[in-house]
Amino acid sequence: AQKITQTQPGMFVQEKEAVTLDCTYDTSDPSYGLFWYKQPSSGEMIFLIYQGSYDQQNATEGRYSLNFQKARKSANLVISASQLGDSAMYFCAMHGSGNTGKLIFGQGTTLQVKP
Amino acid sequence: DARVTQTPRHKVTEMGQEVTMRCQPILGHNTVFWYRQTMMQGLELLAYFRNRAPLDDSGMPKDRFSAEMPDATLATLKIQPSEPRDSAVYFCASGLVLGGQGEKLFFGSGTQLSVL
Repeated sequence: AQKITQTQPGMFVQEKEAVTLDCTYDTSDPSYGLFWYKQPSSGEMIFLIYQGSYDQQNATEGRYSLNFQKARKSANLVISASQLGDSAMYFCAMHGSGNTGKLIFGQGTTLQVKP
Repeated sequence: DARVTQTPRHKVTEMGQEVTMRCQPILGHNTVFWYRQTMMQGLELLAYFRNRAPLDDSGMPKDRFSAEMPDATLATLKIQPSEPRDSAVYFCASGLVLGGQGEKLFFGSGTQLSVL
């Protein structure tokens, strides 16, 4: 069975600093995808970044990067130069090769950016 | 920007009433998903469709929930009869295949359902 674990219920970061949100996963599928979504207080789920299990390089999208360590089964999200608008809930998710679209979500990490 | 549109944004109803939630996926996407979010369970997949055909609804209580795609621009999720434990945020998402390995899902704003 696939599983996503986010061990940090809440995090604080100072504005303009970098922050890492942890995510570990468990799967027996050789091919899988990892995602991060942001959910601000408005409730909408916003796609941030995607990493395929066969991708050689870590994914980056603007200030977001995914620190993918396959052997350790971790897919941490790094947000550089935090902004006040980054305050939100962040979800790590994955799907296996046989379950395209059937995303399994972690419990989420609430990030608060301090001015 | 293209986005998934969900209606209504908020719904308050009484136990036993029928609830219908609607979703307009992004034009060109061929997969549609329904998720439910609660504090206790987090995000759960209820059902998903590919090319309007239901592929998996194993996460959905069959006795009261039903999901359909009458056409490519509309997906519906119905609860009949509704119960207080159905209170949650219901998200619709549509999918775009990424290099054949994964689907980047675009979520709607959700329907906040309260069943009294």
